[in-house]
Amino acid sequence: DAKTTQPPSMDCAEGRAANLPCNHSTISGNEYVYWYRQIHSQGPQYIIHGLKNNETNEMASLIITEDRKSSTLILPHATLRDTAVYYCIVRVATGGSQGNLIFGKGTKLSVKP
Amino acid sequence: NAGVTQTPKFQVLKTGQSMTLQCAQDMNHEYMSWYRQDPGMGLRLIHYSVGAGITDQGEVPNGYNVSRSTTEDFPLRLLSAAPSQTSVYFCASRRTDLAKNIQYFGAGTRLSVL
Repeated sequence: DAKTTQPPSMDCAEGRAANLPCNHSTISGNEYVYWYRQIHSQGPQYIIHGLKNNETNEMASLIITEDRKSSTLILPHATLRDTAVYYCIVRVATGGSQGNLIFGKGTKLSVKP
Repeated sequence: NAGVTQTPKFQVLKTGQSMTLQCAQDMNHEYMSWYRQDPGMGLRLIHYSVGAGITDQGEVPNGYNVSRSTTEDFPLRLLSAAPSQTSVYFCASRRTDLAKNIQYFGAGTRLSVL
Protein backbone atom coordinates (compact mmCIF):
# COMPACT_ATOMS: atom_id res chain seq x y z
CA ASP A 1 0.00 0.00 0.00
CA ALA A 2 1.33 3.41 -0.94
CA LYS A 3 1.88 5.67 2.05
CA THR A 4 1.44 9.42 2.07
CA THR A 5 3.24 12.21 3.89
CA GLN A 6 1.52 15.48 4.72
CA PRO A 7 2.54 18.44 6.89
CA PRO A 8 0.69 18.30 10.21
CA SER A 9 -0.61 21.86 9.97
CA MET A 10 -0.84 24.89 7.71
CA ASP A 11 -2.27 28.39 7.92
CA CYS A 12 -3.90 30.36 5.14
CA ALA A 13 -5.35 33.85 4.96
CA GLU A 14 -9.01 34.12 4.10
CA GLY A 15 -9.51 34.80 0.40
CA ARG A 16 -6.08 33.49 -0.57
CA ALA A 17 -5.34 30.18 -2.23
CA ALA A 18 -4.56 27.28 0.06
CA ASN A 19 -2.02 24.83 -1.35
CA LEU A 20 -1.84 21.55 0.54
CA PRO A 21 1.04 19.23 -0.42
CA CYS A 22 1.18 15.46 -0.27
CA ASN A 23 4.08 13.12 -0.97
CA HIS A 24 3.37 9.59 -2.20
CA SER A 25 6.68 8.41 -3.63
CA THR A 26 5.72 4.69 -3.59
CA ILE A 27 2.46 5.07 -5.51
CA SER A 28 1.64 2.25 -7.93
CA GLY A 29 0.48 2.70 -11.49
CA ASN A 30 -3.14 1.81 -10.77
CA GLU A 31 -3.50 3.86 -7.59
CA TYR A 32 -5.40 7.11 -7.50
CA VAL A 33 -4.81 10.11 -5.27
CA TYR A 34 -7.88 10.99 -3.19
CA TRP A 35 -8.50 13.99 -1.00
CA TYR A 36 -11.04 14.08 1.80
CA ARG A 37 -11.57 16.65 4.50
CA GLN A 38 -13.08 16.53 7.97
CA ILE A 39 -14.61 19.65 9.42
CA HIS A 40 -14.51 19.63 13.20
CA SER A 41 -15.77 16.20 14.30
CA GLN A 42 -18.07 15.75 11.31
CA GLY A 43 -17.80 12.77 9.00
CA PRO A 44 -15.12 13.06 6.31
CA GLN A 45 -16.19 14.59 3.01
CA TYR A 46 -14.86 13.65 -0.42
CA ILE A 47 -13.20 16.52 -2.27
CA ILE A 48 -11.51 15.29 -5.43
CA HIS A 49 -9.41 12.49 -6.89
CA GLY A 50 -7.09 11.92 -9.82
CA LEU A 51 -4.82 9.39 -11.51
CA LYS A 52 -2.35 11.27 -13.71
CA ASN A 53 -3.97 14.37 -15.06
CA ASN A 54 -4.76 17.50 -13.14
CA GLU A 55 -8.37 17.67 -12.02
CA THR A 56 -10.72 20.48 -11.07
CA ASN A 57 -14.20 20.53 -9.63
CA GLU A 58 -16.39 23.03 -7.85
CA MET A 59 -14.52 22.54 -4.58
CA ALA A 60 -10.85 22.35 -5.50
CA SER A 61 -8.09 21.59 -7.98
CA LEU A 62 -5.68 18.67 -7.82
CA ILE A 63 -2.22 18.97 -9.34
CA ILE A 64 -0.27 15.70 -9.71
CA THR A 65 3.39 15.81 -10.70
CA GLU A 66 4.43 14.06 -13.88
CA ASP A 67 6.23 11.29 -11.97
CA ARG A 68 3.12 10.98 -9.72
CA LYS A 69 5.25 11.02 -6.58
CA SER A 70 3.56 14.08 -5.14
CA SER A 71 0.44 16.15 -5.49
CA THR A 72 -1.07 19.43 -4.33
CA LEU A 73 -4.65 20.20 -3.41
CA ILE A 74 -5.57 23.78 -4.17
CA LEU A 75 -8.47 25.63 -2.61
CA PRO A 76 -8.51 28.73 -4.83
CA HIS A 77 -10.19 31.18 -2.46
CA ALA A 78 -10.12 29.80 1.06
CA THR A 79 -12.89 30.78 3.45
CA LEU A 80 -13.23 30.30 7.19
CA ARG A 81 -15.49 27.32 6.46
CA ASP A 82 -12.55 25.56 4.81
CA THR A 83 -10.85 25.19 8.20
CA ALA A 84 -10.59 21.41 8.53
CA VAL A 85 -8.27 18.42 8.53
CA TYR A 86 -7.40 17.40 4.97
CA TYR A 87 -6.50 13.82 4.21
CA CYS A 88 -4.50 12.68 1.18
CA ILE A 89 -5.08 8.98 0.47
CA VAL A 90 -3.63 6.77 -2.24
CA ARG A 91 -5.73 3.73 -3.17
CA VAL A 92 -7.01 1.78 -6.11
CA ALA A 93 -10.41 2.72 -7.46
CA THR A 94 -11.92 -0.76 -7.49
CA GLY A 95 -14.40 -2.37 -5.16
CA GLY A 96 -13.48 -4.80 -2.43
CA SER A 97 -10.79 -4.63 0.21
CA GLN A 98 -8.21 -3.22 -2.18
CA GLY A 99 -10.23 -0.06 -2.20
CA ASN A 100 -10.40 0.33 1.59
CA LEU A 101 -9.44 3.87 2.47
CA ILE A 102 -6.56 4.19 4.93
CA PHE A 103 -6.50 7.51 6.75
CA GLY A 104 -3.35 9.08 8.15
CA LYS A 105 -3.34 12.11 10.44
CA GLY A 106 -3.79 14.59 7.59
CA THR A 107 -3.05 18.31 7.50
CA LYS A 108 -4.94 20.65 9.77
CA LEU A 109 -5.65 23.75 7.70
CA SER A 110 -6.51 26.88 9.64
CA VAL A 111 -7.98 29.70 7.56
CA LYS A 112 -7.53 33.01 9.35
CA PRO A 113 -9.42 36.28 8.79
CA ASN B 1 -32.16 11.33 -0.15
CA ALA B 2 -30.76 11.04 3.40
CA GLY B 3 -27.38 9.48 2.49
CA VAL B 4 -25.72 7.65 5.41
CA THR B 5 -27.64 7.81 8.70
CA GLN B 6 -26.11 6.83 12.03
CA THR B 7 -27.95 6.38 15.30
CA PRO B 8 -27.59 7.23 18.09
CA LYS B 9 -25.54 10.42 17.88
CA PHE B 10 -24.33 10.10 21.48
CA GLN B 11 -24.17 7.17 23.88
CA VAL B 12 -22.75 6.55 27.33
CA LEU B 13 -22.17 2.98 28.44
CA LYS B 14 -20.84 1.29 31.53
CA THR B 15 -18.00 -1.19 31.24
CA GLY B 16 -19.35 -4.60 30.26
CA GLN B 17 -22.58 -3.37 28.70
CA SER B 18 -23.43 -4.27 25.13
CA MET B 19 -24.98 -2.12 22.44
CA THR B 20 -25.51 -1.79 18.71
CA LEU B 21 -24.59 1.23 16.65
CA GLN B 22 -26.93 1.55 13.71
CA CYS B 23 -25.96 2.57 10.17
CA ALA B 24 -28.30 2.83 7.21
CA GLN B 25 -27.81 4.15 3.68
CA ASP B 26 -30.40 4.82 0.98
CA MET B 27 -28.05 5.03 -2.02
CA ASN B 28 -28.09 1.30 -2.84
CA HIS B 29 -24.35 1.10 -2.20
CA GLU B 30 -22.81 -2.35 -2.09
CA TYR B 31 -19.85 -1.43 0.11
CA MET B 32 -20.23 -0.29 3.72
CA SER B 33 -17.66 0.17 6.44
CA TRP B 34 -17.13 1.21 10.04
CA TYR B 35 -14.29 3.40 11.31
CA ARG B 36 -13.33 4.65 14.72
CA GLN B 37 -11.55 7.91 15.40
CA ASP B 38 -9.70 8.62 18.62
CA PRO B 39 -8.70 12.18 19.65
CA GLY B 40 -6.04 13.66 17.38
CA MET B 41 -5.93 10.57 15.20
CA GLY B 42 -7.05 9.62 11.75
CA LEU B 43 -9.82 7.12 11.13
CA ARG B 44 -9.10 3.41 11.57
CA LEU B 45 -11.10 0.74 9.77
CA ILE B 46 -12.95 -1.70 12.04
CA HIS B 47 -15.04 -3.88 9.69
CA TYR B 48 -16.31 -3.62 6.16
CA SER B 49 -18.77 -5.35 3.84
CA VAL B 50 -18.79 -5.59 0.04
CA GLY B 51 -22.41 -6.76 -0.10
CA ALA B 52 -25.27 -8.39 1.79
CA GLY B 53 -24.08 -11.50 3.60
CA ILE B 54 -20.38 -10.64 3.22
CA THR B 55 -18.29 -9.03 5.95
CA ASP B 56 -14.59 -8.84 6.69
CA GLN B 57 -12.22 -7.43 9.30
CA GLY B 58 -10.35 -4.19 9.01
CA GLU B 59 -7.41 -2.87 11.01
CA VAL B 60 -8.97 -2.89 14.51
CA PRO B 61 -11.78 -5.51 14.64
CA ASN B 62 -11.33 -6.87 18.18
CA GLY B 63 -14.32 -6.28 20.45
CA TYR B 64 -16.71 -5.58 17.57
CA ASN B 65 -19.11 -7.70 15.54
CA VAL B 66 -20.95 -6.86 12.33
CA SER B 67 -23.52 -8.44 10.07
CA ARG B 68 -25.02 -7.42 6.74
CA SER B 69 -28.43 -8.93 6.18
CA THR B 70 -29.63 -6.18 3.82
CA THR B 71 -27.96 -3.79 1.40
CA GLU B 72 -29.20 -0.80 3.40
CA ASP B 73 -28.10 -1.66 6.94
CA PHE B 74 -24.75 -2.40 8.54
CA PRO B 75 -24.97 -2.46 12.35
CA LEU B 76 -21.89 -2.53 14.58
CA ARG B 77 -22.17 -4.47 17.85
CA LEU B 78 -20.09 -3.97 20.95
CA LEU B 79 -20.38 -7.22 22.88
CA SER B 80 -18.84 -6.10 26.19
CA ALA B 81 -17.90 -2.43 26.17
CA ALA B 82 -14.50 -1.39 27.50
CA PRO B 83 -13.13 2.12 28.23
CA SER B 84 -10.68 1.63 25.33
CA GLN B 85 -13.70 1.68 23.00
CA THR B 86 -14.48 5.27 23.90
CA SER B 87 -14.28 6.93 20.51
CA VAL B 88 -16.21 8.50 17.66
CA TYR B 89 -17.56 5.94 15.22
CA PHE B 90 -18.20 6.67 11.56
CA CYS B 91 -20.05 4.57 9.05
CA ALA B 92 -19.43 4.97 5.33
CA SER B 93 -20.70 3.56 2.05
CA ARG B 94 -19.78 3.58 -1.62
CA ARG B 95 -20.52 1.87 -4.89
CA THR B 96 -18.26 -0.90 -6.13
CA ASP B 97 -19.22 -0.98 -9.78
CA LEU B 98 -17.64 2.29 -10.84
CA ALA B 99 -14.00 3.14 -11.43
CA LYS B 100 -14.16 5.47 -8.47
CA ASN B 101 -13.68 5.14 -4.74
CA ILE B 102 -15.85 7.92 -3.37
CA GLN B 103 -17.07 7.14 0.12
CA TYR B 104 -19.96 8.88 1.83
CA PHE B 105 -19.76 9.18 5.59
CA GLY B 106 -22.36 9.48 8.29
CA ALA B 107 -22.29 12.18 10.97
CA GLY B 108 -20.82 9.83 13.58
CA THR B 109 -21.74 8.29 16.92
CA ARG B 110 -19.89 9.60 19.96
CA LEU B 111 -19.47 6.78 22.47
CA SER B 112 -18.18 7.05 26.02
CA VAL B 113 -17.53 3.92 28.07
CA LEU B 114 -17.19 4.54 31.80
